Amino acid sequence: NAGVTQTPKFQVLKTGQSMTLQCAQDMNHEYMSWYRQDPGMGLRLIHYSVGAGITDQGEVPNGYNVSRSTTEDFPLRLLSAAPSQTSVYFCASSRQPGPGGYEQFFGPGTRLTVL
Amino acid sequence: GENVEQHPSTLSVQEGDSAVIKCTYSDSASNYFPWYKQELGKRPQLIIDIRSNVGEKKDQRIAVTLNKTAKHFSLHITETQPEDSAVYFCAASRDAGNKLTFGGGTRVLVKP
Repeated sequence: NAGVTQTPKFQVLKTGQSMTLQCAQDMNHEYMSWYRQDPGMGLRLIHYSVGAGITDQGEVPNGYNVSRSTTEDFPLRLLSAAPSQTSVYFCASSRQPGPGGYEQFFGPGTRLTVL
Repeated sequence: GENVEQHPSTLSVQEGDSAVIKCTYSDSASNYFPWYKQELGKRPQLIIDIRSNVGEKKDQRIAVTLNKTAKHFSLHITETQPEDSAVYFCAASRDAGNKLTFGGGTRVLVKP
């Protein structure tokens, strides 16, 4: 299993540009989430999904859109990039709660710089 | 919403000593408390977690304690080694692992 994969690893955008960060998992996990991590800080939840076709907002959703058309993929779209969105973005996935545990598995991250 | 405070922000210990990191949370409905280790430039990785129906959990040199009444939980690392140097994050969730709220992190340096 590849686990959780993210592309690209690095991206530089100009203010006002749009782009999509890709996230995929091959563990058949129901739950997927996007977090951002600013320098020297903890992770903050942007959007999450509990299954295909179901998404909801997290703590810092403004400026981002998500969709979940399949169990495997959970792309994050930046509508009009701003310097405040410069950050490292992590995608994570987990099973539904149960005997299998609650662990969220993180992808390797995408480092985004907005000029 | 949930708020998680983590202390200290930095911690320097001698190799072989113990390290303790403390977190407090605000939402009494939170029921899942994981700890993640993040090395420089890497993804966070789960090192231990505890659910609200358990007061303490141990895994080799790592232990976590939970006090639901006081709404705080702690990470204990014994016999620290240089490879324990990293940033550690606590988190809390009321949705059984989904929608984690993270603390601000503790940078641990183990000096040989």
